[in-house]
Amino acid sequence: SYVLTQPPSVSVAPGQTATIPCGGNNIGSKHVHWYQQKPGQAPVLVVYEDSGRPSGIPERFSGSKSGNTATLTITRVEAGDEADYYCQVWDTTSDHPRDVFGTGTKVTVL
Amino acid sequence: EVQLVESGGGLVQPGGSLRLSCAASGFTVSTNYMNWVRQAPGKGLEWVSVIYSGGSTYYADSVKGRFIISRDNSKNTLYLQMNSLRAEDTAVYYCARVRGSYLNWYFDLWGRGTLVTVSS
Repeated sequence: SYVLTQPPSVSVAPGQTATIPCGGNNIGSKHVHWYQQKPGQAPVLVVYEDSGRPSGIPERFSGSKSGNTATLTITRVEAGDEADYYCQVWDTTSDHPRDVFGTGTKVTVL
Repeated sequence: EVQLVESGGGLVQPGGSLRLSCAASGFTVSTNYMNWVRQAPGKGLEWVSVIYSGGSTYYADSVKGRFIISRDNSKNTLYLQMNSLRAEDTAVYYCARVRGSYLNWYFDLWGRGTLVTVSS
């Protein structure tokens, strides 16, 4: 089955930049989406289709992709950005399409 | 207001059954691809099932043969019938709507979730 790999944690000081990688085989051929989840809350879409930003999401959140890695970048990090972040794609290599989430990265603001 | 509201979670014994509901407002369930996603305590997100607008249904291997996704168009509601429940099914269950191009979908709308606990 298709696997998306993320580092368990990333720490960043306020005002600095956080980068969260998401690795997957042939990820370049797929659209990657990103979600932010704060404790006790449902996930929120922050980037769609590799680099799109939904209405209401700050420009500080951006997505990119290179080779077998997609990256979520958060610039000018704020305390309110502390959360778990998940990448997501649809796996079309199996007998039927199925959704796949990354392992998740906890962003800690120092 | 466009929203999803789950209900039906609770405590159930191993081997038991439970039916979750997800009431939609502000849009039509039957014309969208609707999903269930779950999250075990302290763990990551796991996709469970999808129902296409045309009615086709698909499941994660971990629940195939035990869970059934369905919808009631008259009530604009999505369901998840969960049978033969196991301790590892303990999780918060979210319903979520899909958007995007075919097979590049993303979840643009989520409910707040309902907790299912499987324990004796």
